[in-house]
Amino acid sequence: EAGVAQSPRYKIIEKRQSVAFWCNPISGHATLYWYQQILGQGPKLLIQFQNNGVVDDSQLPKDRFSAERLKGVDSTLKIQPAKLEDSAVYLCASSSLGGAEITGELFFGEGSRLTVL
Amino acid sequence: AQSVSQHNHHVILSEAASLELGCNYSYGGTVNLFWYVQYPGQHLQLLLKYFSGDPLVKGIKGFEAEFIKSKFSFNLRKPSVQWSDTAEYFCAVNVNYGGSQGNLIFGKGTKLSVKP
Repeated sequence: EAGVAQSPRYKIIEKRQSVAFWCNPISGHATLYWYQQILGQGPKLLIQFQNNGVVDDSQLPKDRFSAERLKGVDSTLKIQPAKLEDSAVYLCASSSLGGAEITGELFFGEGSRLTVL
Repeated sequence: AQSVSQHNHHVILSEAASLELGCNYSYGGTVNLFWYVQYPGQHLQLLLKYFSGDPLVKGIKGFEAEFIKSKFSFNLRKPSVQWSDTAEYFCAVNVNYGGSQGNLIFGKGTKLSVKP
């Protein structure tokens, strides 16, 4: 079974530039998550989708971050404009269960490491 | 708000030593508890989880964790570590609201280095 695919693996940009990350979850997984992991910290949820609907985006900085999952499969996370503090690893995860039935078995991708200069 | 504390930032052990990584959470209600592991260069993966029942949970690769409700703790243990256990370990919690679950909240992680 193929895992969660993410790209790019690494990205270096200057502040105020924009960047986009892509995620393709495990086939059939209805729930998709984007996490931000800053160095020395644990992952923090940014947004959760179930199919193509947003379940939770309460911690997404909506003035600069946006995410979509138009067809309920792959997803894109965008940052525009980027700030220095956005330097982090952006993790995508998927789950086979709905948001209301999460068992905690999230399957993570390898992450996209963003450096903002 | 719920939070998860992992007491040790970096633990260094020799092979065959015993391991215990501490994890405490702050929430007075029903929770689900997890340990995830990230091996060098790999993605996060589930090590073990507790939902209900026997508070001593066994996971992969000889790891186990014990849920002590009175102490709000879910410590990870392994009697004899191997060099291949070198990784970062994350404790995570979500709140069990009965018919639904809250989002997964992670601790800051503990880096384990095992010397051969």
